[in-house]
Amino acid sequence: GQQVMQIPQYQHVQEGEDFTTYCNSSTTLSNIQWYKQRPGGHPVFLIQLVKSGEVKKQKRLTFQFGEAKKNSSLHITATQTTDVGTYFCAGLTSGTYKYIFGTGTRLKVLA
Amino acid sequence: ETGVTQTPRHLVMGMTNKKSLKCEQHLGHNAMYWYKQSAKKPLELMFVYSLEERVENNSVPSRFSPECPNSSHLFLHLHTLQPEDSALYLCASSQGFRGHANTGELFFGEGSRLTVL
Repeated sequence: GQQVMQIPQYQHVQEGEDFTTYCNSSTTLSNIQWYKQRPGGHPVFLIQLVKSGEVKKQKRLTFQFGEAKKNSSLHITATQTTDVGTYFCAGLTSGTYKYIFGTGTRLKVLA
Repeated sequence: ETGVTQTPRHLVMGMTNKKSLKCEQHLGHNAMYWYKQSAKKPLELMFVYSLEERVENNSVPSRFSPECPNSSHLFLHLHTLQPEDSALYLCASSQGFRGHANTGELFFGEGSRLTVL
């Protein structure tokens, strides 16, 4: 069945350093979403990407959807302690209506 | 406040107990979901209701029984659970499209932390 993997599983960075998490799907996706879950919290929607090669920015966060629509990335510039949490991608396969969540990347930011 | 409310927030039950988790959404969405989140595992989709009709059941054991009486309420009835069922159970809602669920962003509740002894 369809699988969505994320790397790395964990990432510790010093405050101010950059961070990137990668999402890879075993099948071509029609679109992809990204969520953030703070420790002890629930997933919160960040963004949705639909077009091949699409790049979207939200302040220090940059999201990219691969040309083949099988991978995506989230890059955070100059991390802050408020960025701590687990970042999940969720991919939707064309013809289905079910988003498959990735394994998540847990980010820890050291002050 | 996400507009999706789950109760109880914490639940401890024995393997022979019967309990229910409740979810209510105030967003006017037409699709609701139950997800299971265990340690070191990705979010697992359990059930999807679109327009109050169950459209997805991901081979979930029968000891979990969902109920969706209307588009704003979703229940998960629990019966004779196992210790490995201990997890965070997340309810979510979205605005489906043309009767299909999962076509928009998911709004999650705070979750119900379940411990089975």
